[in-house]
Amino acid sequence: DIQMTQSPSSLSASVGDRVTITCRASQSISSYLNWYQQKPGKAPKLLIYDALSLQSGVPSRFSGSGSGTDFTLTISSLQREDFATYYCQQSHSKPRTFGRGTQVEIK
Amino acid sequence: QVQLVESGGGLVKPGGSLRLSCAASGFTFSDHYMSWIRQAPGKGLEWVSYISNSGSTIYYADSVKGRFTISRDNAENTLFLQMHRLRAEDTAVYYCARHKILATIGRTPEDYWGQGTQVTVSS
Repeated sequence: DIQMTQSPSSLSASVGDRVTITCRASQSISSYLNWYQQKPGKAPKLLIYDALSLQSGVPSRFSGSGSGTDFTLTISSLQREDFATYYCQQSHSKPRTFGRGTQVEIK
Repeated sequence: QVQLVESGGGLVKPGGSLRLSCAASGFTFSDHYMSWIRQAPGKGLEWVSYISNSGSTIYYADSVKGRFTISRDNAENTLFLQMHRLRAEDTAVYYCARHKILATIGRTPEDYWGQGTQVTVSS
């Protein structure tokens, strides 16, 4: 199985900060990397797919980059509604695997 | 709008069975691959299974292979997950999710998720 390693596991940031979360795959997954946002008690929401494509309706302050094994989710200017847990997921191979999540908290 | 509504969860004893359903609306169900994904209490996300739009292609996580069966009824716009020989470690919220339609068939992300149904396996 492909292991997805996310870092950091948590971070504290202020509104307006630039935030970067990284995800590393244990082997190449080309660009088959997706990012999800999950708020407490809610279902995950797709933010970015295929490493850098913004899902419809998602604010442009979210962006993704990377290919192969190393990927990044960037929030250019953190807003109050962005405090949540973020997961990466590889869809290159079965079984699909997720990172363990990054909790973004208010500083 | 796209809606996915799961049902069928509940409390079951170890070794028991449950059948989850996911009623889909607001889109052409028969065009989309579908997945089940679960989340144990306080834990991350674990992909469980997916099924192609026609039902001809199915994959399972090793942790559920041989115990869970995914299926779909395209006439009724419903996805199912039949779960047998349940274990304590199957306790989780189970989400059904729709796959986005892209050219990369079989590698597409899950773009809409239901609200989830709780499955608790305990004696």
